[in-house]
Parts: sequence; C-alpha cells; structure tokens
Amino acid sequence: GENVEQHPSTLSVQEGDSAVIKCTYSDSASNYFPWYKQELGKGPQLIIDIRSNVGEKKDQRIAVTLNKTAKHFSLHITETQPEDSAVYFCAASPPNTGFQKLVFGTGTRLLVSP
Amino acid sequence: NAGVMQNPRHLVRRRGQEARLRCSPMKGHSHVYWYRQLPEEGLKFMVYLQKENIIDESGMPKERFSAEFPKEGPSILRIQQVVRGDSAAYFCASSPTGNSGNTIYFGEGSWLTVV
Repeated sequence: GENVEQHPSTLSVQEGDSAVIKCTYSDSASNYFPWYKQELGKGPQLIIDIRSNVGEKKDQRIAVTLNKTAKHFSLHITETQPEDSAVYFCAASPPNTGFQKLVFGTGTRLLVSP
Repeated sequence: NAGVMQNPRHLVRRRGQEARLRCSPMKGHSHVYWYRQLPEEGLKFMVYLQKENIIDESGMPKERFSAEFPKEGPSILRIQQVVRGDSAAYFCASSPTGNSGNTIYFGEGSWLTVV
C-alpha cells in the first residue's frame, strides 16, 4: 500500500523567513496530495492541495510543488508569521482503493519565532 | 454552512467501559470517514461509510470497534470495553462524493482518554 514519509519532523524559523516541508510517496498511481494544518487541540484544516495533472499550485503565501517522476511533493510557506506555527501534515490518495482514502505523513511541527 | 460537527470533544472513560463518538457531516455531504490520531503521530484511516452502508473498514481494529451511519442522525463510532491504548484523538471527516481526489473536510475531533 501507499506509504508517505515527511521531513523534517520539526522546523524552527524566524518570522519573515521561508519554510519548506517535504514529503515522498511510494505509490506512483496516487493522484491527489493535500496539505493540512493542525493547531493544538483542533482538527486538521486543509490549506492547499494539488492533483497529479499539475506541477505547482500557489495560494498567497503558500505553494505546493509536485514531482511525479521522483514521487515527492513539497509545501512552501513564504514570509512566515507566528500564527503559522502549527503541525503540518501531508497526505497522498491512492486511486486503487476506489474511494477517497488519505495516507498521512507523520507531521512537521513548525515554530515561527517573532 | 456549518462544518463537520463532532461530539463530545473530550471524553474520559474507565477501562472496560464503552465510548460512543458522534459525527454530523457537512451539509450536503453523504460520505463520512473516521481517522484516529495517536499522540505525536499522523492520522490513520479507520472506516469509510455512506448512509446505511459501511464501504471500507480496513483500518478498523477487528474487535471492540464498530461504526454506523444511519439513515437519520449522525455517524457513530463505538468502542466497547476500552483499554488504555484506545486513548487517542478520533477525527471524523466528510466529502460530497467518495471519488478519489475529492476534498475531505475534518471535524475538530473527539479526544478520548482511558483511565
């Protein structure tokens, strides 16, 4: 089955710096890759997603890139702010399950210092 | 438009008791998923349901766990005879269709503590 690895497990940056989180997946047939932000005591909130027919997607300070050949995708946050501090999860969706089943990475704890 | 609603948000149970977690999907969504998050880990798929049907329960433990999504009312995740290892956050999610590639929206979770 699909396996998703995520790095780094923790990331500390200064306010205004950029942050990059990387994920790799094993199933080349996976075709949907969302990113979720989880704040302490809350549920995962979708922040951006990308489908396999697209190489890059951007939404204000957040961007995601996908390299299907290498089977990895990355989250880029520019001009980080303290409120970006949270745990970020990547996920992949293998189509052979017949439904929307997400396989999650282990998470990256991002700390943005003022 | 209300999001995915889960209750209770926090639940404490003694070993051997039953835990019942409820989930109301977003309006217009008829596909419900349950995920479990153990401390300091990512989310793991448990079960996928449509109204009155369990579609895939490949992530559910074989014993003590069950799920339903009746024609009327919320989806329920039931854990019988809880043990300490069941302590986790249980997240419900919903989507308008079950097709791969659809956006899934998560609720705020139910935190189960077994003492």
